[in-house]
Amino acid sequence: ETGVTQSPTHLIKTRGQQVTLRCSSQSGHNTVSWYQQALGQGPQFIFQYYREEENGRGNFPPRFSGLQFPNYSSELNVNALELDDSALYLCASSAPDRGRVGTEAFFGQGTRLTVV
Amino acid sequence: GQNIDQPTEMTATEGAIVQINCTYQTSGFNGLFWYQQHAGEAPTFLSYNVLDGLEEKGRFSSFLSRSKGYSYLLLKELQMKDSASYLCAVRVGLSNSGGYQKVTFGTGTKLQVIP
Repeated sequence: ETGVTQSPTHLIKTRGQQVTLRCSSQSGHNTVSWYQQALGQGPQFIFQYYREEENGRGNFPPRFSGLQFPNYSSELNVNALELDDSALYLCASSAPDRGRVGTEAFFGQGTRLTVV
Repeated sequence: GQNIDQPTEMTATEGAIVQINCTYQTSGFNGLFWYQQHAGEAPTFLSYNVLDGLEEKGRFSSFLSRSKGYSYLLLKELQMKDSASYLCAVRVGLSNSGGYQKVTFGTGTKLQVIP
């Protein structure tokens, strides 16, 4: 148990629809990162939120957007879903303010999104 | 950007020792992580290196050479439950006190432990 929870665990959507995925970070963690993991691949960085602001983004189009709330929980929104968006979406929380030690990211169990 | 390479698959025998290598090319290096991921589950943290040398934690050890852009994860006394994917991840960032820190993962090494 990492203290990071994601919802829902599984989701099926139709191409063109919109989806919102949710993440509650571990207590004391102010940074949330989102990753997309296709089958057989490593997690791909989507973006990171630090103290409610996006402060880093990977190579994902603008239809991938997010929010972080004052309690540091976060949402990932994907518009105009495409078949290739089918993947495991992972949320990871961390506390980089602690310096070098204790800054590892803790992952939630993920949301398995299937686009049909 | 970052480039991380690790072998795709490895097989080892129960009770043996296995070394999983990871090479990386990056700027702004600020630490290297190893994660274990069982099929269908989230990655779980194993180790963290930011300075050169060996970090030992029970049956798992991780080594880093920043000048060579090289790390390895060493697993001793292999158990069947160690069959999983092992992800090498490199962090880059502007500072240690908050702010942007991006973690890039390799594609993972799928380890199969056989009896």
